[in-house]
Amino acid sequence: DAGITQSPRYKITETGRQVTLMCHQTWSHSYMFWYRQDLGHGLRLIYYSAAADITDKGEVPDGYVVSRSKTENFPLTLESATRSQTSVYFCASSGLAQETQYFGPGTRLLVL
Amino acid sequence: AQSVTQPDIHITVSEGASLELRCNYSYGATPYLFWYVQSPGQGLQLLLKYFSGDTLVQGIKGFEAEFKRSQSSFNLRKPSVHWSDAAEYFCAVGGTGGFKTIFGAGTRLFVKA
Repeated sequence: DAGITQSPRYKITETGRQVTLMCHQTWSHSYMFWYRQDLGHGLRLIYYSAAADITDKGEVPDGYVVSRSKTENFPLTLESATRSQTSVYFCASSGLAQETQYFGPGTRLLVL
Repeated sequence: AQSVTQPDIHITVSEGASLELRCNYSYGATPYLFWYVQSPGQGLQLLLKYFSGDTLVQGIKGFEAEFKRSQSSFNLRKPSVHWSDAAEYFCAVGGTGGFKTIFGAGTRLFVKA
């Protein structure tokens, strides 16, 4: 199906473990984004990408790594998970930088 | 620096009553403004957007918003709320280089029968 998907939808892990959250979009959008959503903070941008092999930091990049080898995929890796990274993570994409962003359904991550 | 303020953390309205959700922004140039809605357990969906032109914009589900440059506001309105409108609403501001879009903290809407 066309759209933007995220996997897994739910994940429980332990502190210190590496976790990768996947994001896939079928529109060939140039721009992709990773946000985290926490109570009282709204959405905060972690990383974004303007095209394949072009990524840049957002507001809260520490502890996260991204890559974009293909236009349609934008995985987010927590290299060594911490409890403070317990959150809901949303991936989004857009065709142009200032255009509407289309969001995935989110991944709920719990770090024990 | 860009910023977005949604002064109301939550609002409760009766079904059939009118609704206004407030949004104030700070941006150094002409902003691109968005309202998104998030239903429980879901991602965000665009309600409406303002880039230029008519300052009163219409969106989906009967929502509208008005851009007031003098007040740096972009308030969301609906004349008659339905129970299905219960959700969280996010205002966002961006511009050229919209990958720096900033989201407000959100306003949760409760609808009572």
